[in-house]
Amino acid sequence: GAVVSQHPSWVICKSGTSVKIECRSLDFQATTMFWYRQFPKQSLMLMATSNEGSKATYEQGVEKDKFLINHASLTLSTLTVTSAHPEDSSFYICSARAGLGTYEQYFGPGTRLTVT
Amino acid sequence: KNEVEQSPQNLTAQEGEFITINCSYSVGISALHWLQQHPGGGIVSLFMLSSGKKKHGRLIATINIQEKHSSLHITASHPRDSAVYICAVNPMTGTASKLTFGTGTRLQVTL
Repeated sequence: GAVVSQHPSWVICKSGTSVKIECRSLDFQATTMFWYRQFPKQSLMLMATSNEGSKATYEQGVEKDKFLINHASLTLSTLTVTSAHPEDSSFYICSARAGLGTYEQYFGPGTRLTVT
Repeated sequence: KNEVEQSPQNLTAQEGEFITINCSYSVGISALHWLQQHPGGGIVSLFMLSSGKKKHGRLIATINIQEKHSSLHITASHPRDSAVYICAVNPMTGTASKLTFGTGTRLQVTL
């Protein structure tokens, strides 16, 4: 099956610094990538939808200046958490859709962010 | 009320038992997904279906579009099946590719 990777798998950073998380589709081209965050024992919450070559669409309540998303190629999307605060500590997961004609989504293994 | 409801929320079973997890949704959908999330956090897509039934190994997923209901069955359950199982749908309205998630069913299979 299709594989999506994320890097790093976990990261600890100090408050006020920025962190970049990469999401890559390894064996297919992803026209659309999605970024989610998940708090312990809660369901996934969609943060934004990222289409290659265009600006990301953010969900209501998600600060676009704080969570910068770039989808520069068909195999790579990045999420940068700027000026991180402890409340940004969470599990961030990306998923990728292979094409416009499918609803199939492939999920990355997630990145656990801890802000101290 | 959530658009996607799962039951039960928690389930404990003994190894070998037959397990059923239910998902009901209240909107028209283009597709329904069953996902598995292990304690480490990674998510695996088990099934995507829009009608009928699909089978993969010990897992079976069914959907009844008229009743807006889907079930995930696990036959001969094993401790390695312990995970959170999540039902998600692609609603027909709004952005078709976006998923709406259920709250998940936490399954624990004991020896």
